[in-house]
Amino acid sequence: GAGVSQSPSNKVTEKGKDVELRCDPISGHTALYWYRQSLGQGLEFLIYFQGNSAPDKSGLPSDRFSAERTGGSVSTLTIQRTQQEDSAVYLCASTETGVRNEQFFGPGTRLTVL
Amino acid sequence: AQTVTQSQPEMSVQEAETVTLSCTYDTSESDYYLFWYKQPPSRQMILVIRQEAYKQQNATENRFSVNFQKAAKSFSLKISDSQLGDAAMYFCAYRSAGAGGTSYGKLTFGQGTILTVHP
Repeated sequence: GAGVSQSPSNKVTEKGKDVELRCDPISGHTALYWYRQSLGQGLEFLIYFQGNSAPDKSGLPSDRFSAERTGGSVSTLTIQRTQQEDSAVYLCASTETGVRNEQFFGPGTRLTVL
Repeated sequence: AQTVTQSQPEMSVQEAETVTLSCTYDTSESDYYLFWYKQPPSRQMILVIRQEAYKQQNATENRFSVNFQKAAKSFSLKISDSQLGDAAMYFCAYRSAGAGGTSYGKLTFGQGTILTVHP
């Protein structure tokens, strides 16, 4: 079956512009995570969705970042008024309910803010 | 909060040889999972191996094995008979096994180790 997909693969934007990054999880996966990977760094947790529960936004670095998940499936990460330090790879992962289950990652979106 | 540390930014190995990547972590929890992920240039994170903290036996997956030392909070990855296709960034990651809290299942990653395989 299809894996996690993300679009766009690469995004170049100018400082101050808004961007939207999309994640299509594996069908039937109830949990969805967004992570950010800055150059040469490990991945840092951004936000977590589980079914219809309120999302855990504890990892979002500023109020310029927001995310939503429509119908328990597709998720969109929005960054407003982008800054150069937002340049990174944004990775999405999905999993079935249950902490034992493997997280499946998408290929990520590389965001470059000029 | 949990932390994961990979002290080797880069490692290299000759094809067919063995290499060990180091990882230490800090946690006050007793039940958790540890992972090694591989990230090739394609950026796709691939799960290499998983260890459950309550299991004393070290996990193995073909040429990949771990040395899990719970008391020392150490979790190293050994790659035997290294192949050119093993070249990638490797990440060690931690996940709580607890059902409480809203960040259920989130992964905490180390900084990564770039592995180069020489022919």
